[in-house]
Amino acid sequence: NAGVTQTPKFQVLKTGQSMTLQCAQDMNHEYMSWYRQDPGMGLRLIHYSVGAGITDQGEVPNGYNVSRSTTEDFPLRLLSAAPSQTSVYFCASSQRTVNSPLHFGNGTRLTVT
Amino acid sequence: AQTVTQSQPEMSVQEAETVTLSCTYDTSESDYYLFWYKQPPSRQMILVIRQEAYKQQNATENRFSVNFQKAAKSFSLKISDSQLGDAAMYFCAYRSDPNAGGTSYGKLTFGQGTILTVHP
Repeated sequence: NAGVTQTPKFQVLKTGQSMTLQCAQDMNHEYMSWYRQDPGMGLRLIHYSVGAGITDQGEVPNGYNVSRSTTEDFPLRLLSAAPSQTSVYFCASSQRTVNSPLHFGNGTRLTVT
Repeated sequence: AQTVTQSQPEMSVQEAETVTLSCTYDTSESDYYLFWYKQPPSRQMILVIRQEAYKQQNATENRFSVNFQKAAKSFSLKISDSQLGDAAMYFCAYRSDPNAGGTSYGKLTFGQGTILTVHP
């Protein structure tokens, strides 16, 4: 059982470049989300989805796009990378019940120069 | 919007001793869940313990227990008999009930984290 698979593990971009962080889960979870982790700020929600075809913005959505065409996949797109987007990114999924913990991917360390 | 605050950026404890990590939250919701996650240097996020707001009994998982004070909106984590492997960043998190209406959709909100150091 793979759980949440997140790729790549590391990425270096130049300012203005675009890229997609991939996230896939094999647990048939309705809820999927993307967080960024920065020192002293914990994990902040970027975008989330409660099912295929449904997405919504989190706390820090600017500069990022998401789509959810299938239950399994929830890619995060950086449209035009900026140094402020240097961070560690986590994808997480869960069942859509209040007591369900999030299952996390292993994270992507992104550096924008 | 819900907020979660961890007021201790860093804590330390001697091996075999007990340490308590603090967490407070702000919400107007009546049903929700609270979680503690552990993040070791490997960056992996590991669920430590969870507590339902409607349950008065404090959750316990082996050496980990919580002190849940709903009226005070406080949710502290106690680690007993600390071990070197407990050294990590610990995050407190709040989850809204996705079926209670509104627009929260069961989002998970995290605190800023507490770095725990365990001294041998």
